[in-house]
Amino acid sequence: DVKVTQSSRYLVKRTGEKVFLECVQDMDHENMFWYRQDPGLGLRLIYFSYDVKMKEKGDIPEGYSVSREKKERFSLILESASTNQTSMYLCASSFRTGGSTGELFFGEGSRLTVL
Amino acid sequence: TQLLEQSPQFLSIQEGENLTVYCNSSSVFSSLQWYRQEPGEGPVLLVTVVTGGEVKKLKRLTFQFGDARKDSSLHITAAQPGDTGLYLCAGRPNTDKLIFGTGTRLQVFP
Repeated sequence: DVKVTQSSRYLVKRTGEKVFLECVQDMDHENMFWYRQDPGLGLRLIYFSYDVKMKEKGDIPEGYSVSREKKERFSLILESASTNQTSMYLCASSFRTGGSTGELFFGEGSRLTVL
Repeated sequence: TQLLEQSPQFLSIQEGENLTVYCNSSSVFSSLQWYRQEPGEGPVLLVTVVTGGEVKKLKRLTFQFGDARKDSSLHITAAQPGDTGLYLCAGRPNTDKLIFGTGTRLQVFP
């Protein structure tokens, strides 16, 4: 079974703290994604990566950065957390879409609260 | 930013009823997917449609991709409590990026 593992299910941080969210996948997927999920807004793409050390901005990258040093690991970094970053964060991975269905496999999510 | 609007946003029905969820956009997508998310879990893929007008069935769920590949619908026949969850459509432009809809939260009561 494909497994996407997010390091923390629940985090509580204070405004201004640096936050690391880690994601690991075990299916040798080329693509990895970070989304945030807020009620009524669906999933919004923050960043994605299609290869090691490669990254592309999604629709809402402001206030976030990412790191992909190894193929299986994709980290989301909040340099200085703010209250409007309180949200559910979902990591996903997939094969490069050419020749595949492009199915995304998701982790269970990390619920971040910034006080 | 390409947008996918889903309607309705919330749906609360009794077991055995039928329902339809809509996913609409002004953009054309090369493919469209439907995911279901249960509480405490990440979304899980239900189906992918790629051809305009395509209809796919998954037991009591029927998915249709619009002829112009801008919209899609999900119809559930005789809903069961196990169908409860958040339904998300997601469209793929001609890239690896997937754009998600706003979501429809379905509650089916016994």
